[in-house]
Amino acid sequence: QKEVEQNSGPLSVPEGAIASLNCTYSDRGSQSFFWYRQYSGKSPELIMFIYSNGDKEDGRFTAQLNKASQYVSLLIRDSQPSDSATYLCAAGGQGAQKLVFGQGTRLTINP
Amino acid sequence: DAGITQSPRHKVTETGTPVTLRCHQTENHRYMYWYRQDPGHGLRLIHYSYGVKDTDKGEVSDGYSVSRSKTEDFLLTLESATSSQTSVYFCAISEMYEQYFGPGTRLTVT
Repeated sequence: QKEVEQNSGPLSVPEGAIASLNCTYSDRGSQSFFWYRQYSGKSPELIMFIYSNGDKEDGRFTAQLNKASQYVSLLIRDSQPSDSATYLCAAGGQGAQKLVFGQGTRLTINP
Repeated sequence: DAGITQSPRHKVTETGTPVTLRCHQTENHRYMYWYRQDPGHGLRLIHYSYGVKDTDKGEVSDGYSVSRSKTEDFLLTLESATSSQTSVYFCAISEMYEQYFGPGTRLTVT
């Protein structure tokens, strides 16, 4: 069974610091990886996606992919209290239609 | 919510009754999905559609059926609701790879 594993947290980070969220996946055939942010009681919101090994940066967010280690991470620089949410990691195959989600990591940014 | 609406937003129903949830999109995206989200299980794919009348099963499809007669609408039916189907149901859409989620429907089966 294809699995995506995340530490459920909570992960507590001081405001202004770097938050590091990690995810591992079991299916070596996975080719697309996504990070979603979900505020309590709201729907998941796509914040980053990555398909190739290495880093991808978008503003304060950096996604990192290491296919050899089957590892995906999300770095949030200059963390803000508004970044406090649950972050979901998802992995998909070539077509990315059948995504497998991790259980999410709850992140708290402390002012 | 990327031009996605779900109805109803909240529903309470009794065990054994049929329930239909609707997802409507205004983006003309090819793919539509139904997920459920439960504590301890995260988001799990129920069914998805890759075109009008074209659907496929996901990870947790037992007890659910879907239909898509128009590009913009994707219906999820619980044929005979059970308490284990109490959950938050999310619809998502995509044109290529990135999926965008609707606001969700909270369903309680008593």
